[in-house]
Amino acid sequence: QQQVKQSPQSLIVQKGGISIINCAYENTAFDYFPWYQQFPGKGPALLIAIRPDVSEKKEGRFTISFNKSAKQFSLHIMDSQPGDSATYFCAASKGTGFQKLVFGTGTRLLVSP
Amino acid sequence: DAGVTQSPTHLIKTRGQQVTLRCSPKSGHDTVSWYQQALGQGPQFIFQYYEEEERQRGNFPDRFSGHQFPNYSSELNVNALLLGDSALYLCASSFGTLNTGELFFGEGSRLTVL
Repeated sequence: QQQVKQSPQSLIVQKGGISIINCAYENTAFDYFPWYQQFPGKGPALLIAIRPDVSEKKEGRFTISFNKSAKQFSLHIMDSQPGDSATYFCAASKGTGFQKLVFGTGTRLLVSP
Repeated sequence: DAGVTQSPTHLIKTRGQQVTLRCSPKSGHDTVSWYQQALGQGPQFIFQYYEEEERQRGNFPDRFSGHQFPNYSSELNVNALLLGDSALYLCASSFGTLNTGELFFGEGSRLTVL
């Protein structure tokens, strides 16, 4: 049972463009939504995260937009750079206590020079 | 400050064998989680250890077992290996019970089952 659906599966963006990755969740108990970045041969690294009490969070070139009523959230990468080429995973978790993340299937981003 | 370290980085086993993977959490962390990442997929939660006890478990069979030691390091054991167990096994660490979401992942152990 996939609780977090991610799209697109792959994305090619020109340098300087905007990369947009979307996720949708089913479980309304989810209250924490992080995005992870994974380079080949490496483990995922936390990029940015949001809780449902805000609709947007920005950190540098990375922005999360959150739509609680639609149960959707998205990652925007402004001024995309070749160094941003990686696989991006959205995730979700619920409640307090021990962290258990449910991941999306990933989006492979390629930023062309 | 050492991050999460895992060993071995790569290993090859045959069907029916058993494997043990090891993880040392980031300094200051006391909670260890294990995830399985199949090729082209997102990580899937296996289980989590805190105070040397399994606290949560994902949808994985009993062939998957673990342990946490007093120094917070952890092992993942998989018995009776199947071809489908081939994956990248990721260890993640965090501090205590706070649901901050700041899981720190290691680089993983890539298991190939032939």
